[in-house]
Amino acid sequence: AQSVTQLGSHVSVSEGALVLLRCNYSSSVPPYLFWYVQYPNQGLQLLLKYTTGATLVKGINGFEAEFKKSETSFHLTKPSAHMSDAAEYFCAVGDTGGFKTIFGAGTRLFVKA
Amino acid sequence: DTGVSQDPRHKITKRGQNVTFRCDPISEHNRLYWYRQTLGQGPEFLTYFQNEAQLEKSRLLSDRFSAERPKGSFSTLEIQRTEQGDSAMYLCASRSTSGSSYNEQFFGPGTRLTVL
Repeated sequence: AQSVTQLGSHVSVSEGALVLLRCNYSSSVPPYLFWYVQYPNQGLQLLLKYTTGATLVKGINGFEAEFKKSETSFHLTKPSAHMSDAAEYFCAVGDTGGFKTIFGAGTRLFVKA
Repeated sequence: DTGVSQDPRHKITKRGQNVTFRCDPISEHNRLYWYRQTLGQGPEFLTYFQNEAQLEKSRLLSDRFSAERPKGSFSTLEIQRTEQGDSAMYLCASRSTSGSSYNEQFFGPGTRLTVL
């Protein structure tokens, strides 16, 4: 069975500071890994994904994540936070069949001026 | 707009009533998924379709829930005899099984259900 653990339900950073959102997963098969962002009362938007190949994945809005198999981690980072980054972020794991995606509980990012 | 659309965006109903939600996927996507998201949680998988065939259902999908995708295009999710615990955001997503974005699910804006 696959599962996702996001460490920290809330993260607060100052504008311009590094953003680090942590995600660990478990999967019995090579995983597909995703980060999604959700703004209030909206659906989920894909930030980035890892399927195969390069373990450092770059996404939209300056975000990137690194797949570390030995640590079963897929942490999300952004060098400099903007006020517009304040949202809920979800890490997710999908099976290679693409039948369904398992989401973490989410991390709400607050950005202070 | 060629994204995933859901209707209605908000639904308030009284306990015991039936409700039906609609999802229109991206037109060329053959897979369609339903998720439920409660406050402070990530989306939970409910069911998915490959074209018109419903291939998997979660244990979360009690017998009060039914989903259809009759022509392999739009889908409906019906909840009978609603309970307060059904209050949640219901998200639909669609996916193609070919092309460069084949392993990506595209989400609709969701239908927020409130059961009084």
